Amino acid sequence: KAGVTQTPRYLIKTRGQQVTLSCSPISGHRSVSWYQQTPGQGLQFLFEYFSETQRNKGNFPGRFSGRQFSNSRSEMNVSTLELGDSALYLCASSLGRGGDSYEQFFGPGTRLTVL
Amino acid sequence: AQSVTQLGSHVSVSEGALVLLRCNYSSSVPPYLFWYVQYPNQGLQLLLKYTSAATLVKGINGFEAEFKKSETSFHLTKPSAHMSDAAEYFCAVSRSGGYQKVTFGTGTKLQVIP
Repeated sequence: KAGVTQTPRYLIKTRGQQVTLSCSPISGHRSVSWYQQTPGQGLQFLFEYFSETQRNKGNFPGRFSGRQFSNSRSEMNVSTLELGDSALYLCASSLGRGGDSYEQFFGPGTRLTVL
Repeated sequence: AQSVTQLGSHVSVSEGALVLLRCNYSSSVPPYLFWYVQYPNQGLQLLLKYTSAATLVKGINGFEAEFKKSETSFHLTKPSAHMSDAAEYFCAVSRSGGYQKVTFGTGTKLQVIP
């Protein structure tokens, strides 16, 4: 069974640009969560999508948005990039409904560097 | 509401010594608890999980954790540290029954000294 894949793995952007990150969950998983990880702030929850609907949202500005497609693949977009957006962005998938189906399986992450 | 607290952002142990990483949780309903490990520049990998079956849970790489309801704890242990155990470890909590997002702790970086 293929794991969670994230593309691209590395990305360099400049301030003011926008970026789109992609996540393909494990087959059969309907929930996709996004996290931002930085040395200073640790692992911070961005949002979660389940069956194409945003089910939960963290405390990030509106520049951070996401969506989920009917095949459960998800994209995350960051507009007007700031230096502080440099981070490892992790995607996690899960079955998303009931009991230990909330166990999350993580992708390798996308390392975003904003110059 | 649910939360986890990991005591100690950095822990150092000698190779061959006992590893003990602490996690305390708060949950208004019976929790599901997880430990994840992250190696540099990689995603998180599940070590073990507690889902209300046996209170002593065995995971991969020789790690285990014990659910103690009276202490609201789920500490991670390994009898003998190996150099390859050097990584960051995250405790996480969800809830049994119904939907509740997973909440992660702030992580503990484990250093293994040769």
